[in-house]
Amino acid sequence: QKEVEQDPGPLSVPEGAIVSLNCTYSNSAFQYFMWYRQYSRKGPELLMYTYSSGNKEDGRFTAQVDKSSKYISLFIRDSQPSDSATYLCAMSVAGNQFYFGTGTSLTVIP
Amino acid sequence: GAVVSQHPSRVICKSGTSVKIECRSLDFQATTMFWYRQFPKKSLMLMATSNEGSKATYEQGVEKDKFLINHASLTLSTLTVTSAHPEDSSFYICSATEPGDTQYFGPGTRLTVL
Repeated sequence: QKEVEQDPGPLSVPEGAIVSLNCTYSNSAFQYFMWYRQYSRKGPELLMYTYSSGNKEDGRFTAQVDKSSKYISLFIRDSQPSDSATYLCAMSVAGNQFYFGTGTSLTVIP
Repeated sequence: GAVVSQHPSRVICKSGTSVKIECRSLDFQATTMFWYRQFPKKSLMLMATSNEGSKATYEQGVEKDKFLINHASLTLSTLTVTSAHPEDSSFYICSATEPGDTQYFGPGTRLTVL
């Protein structure tokens, strides 16, 4: 079993839709949870960084961590064509060794 | 947020030559830097982890004599692809972190070996 599981998609939504991206994990010791956005031929860009459980909101983006279910989510409200990218989840126990999902490819159709 | 740069962004070289890629943390001291390789439409593949002042730790299947990593200072790590061959053509991405923080990625280097 992989440490982190992420549905690769692809996922296509119309502009303005709410997007839900998810990852599950098996290691209950993970404490740090990240979401990255990667445009084609670019390095991943940190979107959200949360510690332990709970929600974090930043503009149109909300990250949720449910440690009891070992499940994390990223919600994108009012999705825009510029949100079209691959979204990677990542997690870590103590900020030294990181585990990445395979990435979900998202296309927002105008 | 923290900024990581990579140089060059793109390089084309002949088979058999060596190529050096630099990764710099611009506004923080990176105690650990990571090197990844990524094929088109594929996920990141961790190649090695390097801590400042010590030898890099390579992932299984990565040839350490082929991919030389030097992390000589808290703001600079280099990856040298020695005797490059066409199968080494790929997108190489570095990332940097300081203790207790997340990874910040560079913009990547596209290597094409002819």
